[in-house]
Amino acid sequence: QSVLTQPPSVSAAPGQKVTISCSGSSSNIGNNYVSWYQQLPGTAPKLLISDNNNRPSGIPDRFSGSKSGTSATLGVTGLQTGDEAVYYCGTWDGGLSAWVFGGGTKLTVL
Amino acid sequence: EVQLVESGGGLVQPGGSLRLSCAASGFAVSNNYMSWVRQAPGKGLEWVSFIYSGGSTYYADSVKGRFTISRDNSKNTLYLQMHSLRAEDTAVYYCARVLDRGVTPKTFDYWGQGTLVTVSS
Repeated sequence: QSVLTQPPSVSAAPGQKVTISCSGSSSNIGNNYVSWYQQLPGTAPKLLISDNNNRPSGIPDRFSGSKSGTSATLGVTGLQTGDEAVYYCGTWDGGLSAWVFGGGTKLTVL
Repeated sequence: EVQLVESGGGLVQPGGSLRLSCAASGFAVSNNYMSWVRQAPGKGLEWVSFIYSGGSTYYADSVKGRFTISRDNSKNTLYLQMHSLRAEDTAVYYCARVLDRGVTPKTFDYWGQGTLVTVSS
């Protein structure tokens, strides 16, 4: 059972938009920055979104992040088959003095 | 260019020990927060340990007292010494550079390719 809650899977057709939610509490998301990571099959995780909504250099603007209260959301527009991956949210939890990840969401582009 | 290359994984018996290494290039490990994250087969990401630039160390409860994170600034290398290994420690272990917000970690911005540790008799 992860401290951060993500849906196990989401799916949408190519070209469509999808959102992935990440729900936490005041000890983690509510008072800390959220980051998102993309893990393509058989590869290491890669930073997708930092500081709630910042895209590192090289990340397409099809990917966006937002945060409100104790929840965060990753948005992906113009879906491509290459976006099929598992997406993880993560943040610092001050109550646990530990970093916490969500359980991961598998994105399928139908 | 920032690069992280892990090594040292392998097959070890329950109760055994192993030391993982993570050779960094393109930046100084001594000036950054660094971390180990693991992923059991078919499972999600699990944070294992941090070492802050000032030298403070933090561990997940699941490894506290058994694992030790350290660094060698002269070799620009991060280590994870693992003792009393259990079957549930079987995972791919990734090292990562961590951006901080002054007192706490903020983002894992670069990851290595990972090294597989298998604990089995």
